[in-house]
Amino acid sequence: DAGVIQSPRHEVTEMGQEVTLRCKPISGHDYLFWYRQTMMRGLELLIYFNNNVPIDDSGMPEDRFSAKMPNASFSTLKIQPSEPRDSAVYFCASSIQGLAFFGQGTRLTVV
Amino acid sequence: KNEVEQSPQNLTAQEGEFITINCSYSVGISALHWLQQHPGGGIVSLFMLSSGKKKHGRLIATINIQEKHSSLHITASHPRDSAVYICAVTTDYGGSQGNLIFGKGTKLSVKP
Repeated sequence: DAGVIQSPRHEVTEMGQEVTLRCKPISGHDYLFWYRQTMMRGLELLIYFNNNVPIDDSGMPEDRFSAKMPNASFSTLKIQPSEPRDSAVYFCASSIQGLAFFGQGTRLTVV
Repeated sequence: KNEVEQSPQNLTAQEGEFITINCSYSVGISALHWLQQHPGGGIVSLFMLSSGKKKHGRLIATINIQEKHSSLHITASHPRDSAVYICAVTTDYGGSQGNLIFGKGTKLSVKP
């Protein structure tokens, strides 16, 4: 397996634009997590899914953020409209039996 | 107070030294993870522990559930070990997997 695959690796967008981050988890993993990493706050959990069902989205900062997992092999994190303070590295991770594997992250810059 | 505390925050070592990074937590957990974040940003899972000790190559991770403490040791350190090491715990909420709570990381620099 190629591991957790995220795309794009880098995204630069203008304030107000919609941004969609994508994640392909490792096949067979039953949990999927979206994290955000900033210098100020470190790694923060945004939302996680179990068997494609959102379990806890209390970490999603605002209604501008939404996440979906339409099937076991794909998830998206959408920010609409984006703001400069959303600039961060966004990680997706999948896990099975507790062991988490992380994607390479998407570095988002909102100007 | 953070639920997961790591020490030290920064660590500089000479090649070949034995390194210890500590992690203390204050919540009930089902597992503790050690992660390595490379300078390029990628995160790799090193260990997942719920008790005892695990070893992988030059890396050793231990956990003491009673004391709510874990250590990551690196023997015969090498410059390529330079990275940020992150301790994270999976919370024990009603038997569900819960989410990961992260420490702030320990930045390790190993000098040749």
